[in-house]
Amino acid sequence: VELVESGGALVQPGRSLRLSCAASGFNFNVFGMHWVRQSPGKGLEWVAGINWKNDTLDYADSVKGRFTISRDNTKNSLFLEMNSLRPEDTALYYCGKDIAATVTTYVIDHWGLGTLVTVSS
Amino acid sequence: EKVMTQSPLILSVSPGEGATLSCRASHTIGNNLAWYQQKPGQAPRLLIYDASTRVTSIPTRFSGSGSGTEFTLTISSLQSEDFAVYYCQQYNKWPPGGTFGQGTKVELK
Repeated sequence: VELVESGGALVQPGRSLRLSCAASGFNFNVFGMHWVRQSPGKGLEWVAGINWKNDTLDYADSVKGRFTISRDNTKNSLFLEMNSLRPEDTALYYCGKDIAATVTTYVIDHWGLGTLVTVSS
Repeated sequence: EKVMTQSPLILSVSPGEGATLSCRASHTIGNNLAWYQQKPGQAPRLLIYDASTRVTSIPTRFSGSGSGTEFTLTISSLQSEDFAVYYCQQYNKWPPGGTFGQGTKVELK
């Protein structure tokens, strides 16, 4: 299993950014996927999750209405569209694979190395 | 909102000693609890899920227990590679998502 995130950057508050995660080494189509972030020197925060069928999307309250998770099962890719970015969104964003096939458990058994998003003027 | 509280925040242990890490949930979560290990500069690694099920590749010195609101991760005979930060995570169905605890740092005494 390999998960490779990309798209992190330095952006100004209020701007948008799109993160991507390229997945390989497993049947991407049958697993839920997640984004988890970690602010510098801080703990882990689950951000968003999407089920294998692409019809159930869940978000943390802190990002609801601003972030959108999506996936392209034809390209084994996961995305996170981030709008109205705030300084408190500054973090390393990890892509993660759910442990169970065809059901979303929110247990993440494989993680990428992360992509850094910095929100600052 | 489900809150996960870990204790202690820092645990100083000598190699070869055992360590007991605690995690308390603000609401009952059955056995829907996972433990992760994170070393500096690395992504988290899943150790335990469903409170006590160890991931296949994880050494048997790691064990998890508990249910409801009180959970424990036990590391018997710490090895040098076990010094890290450990996070618990609840994953009950509602609200959806997985809330992490603030982490326990296991450091060399």
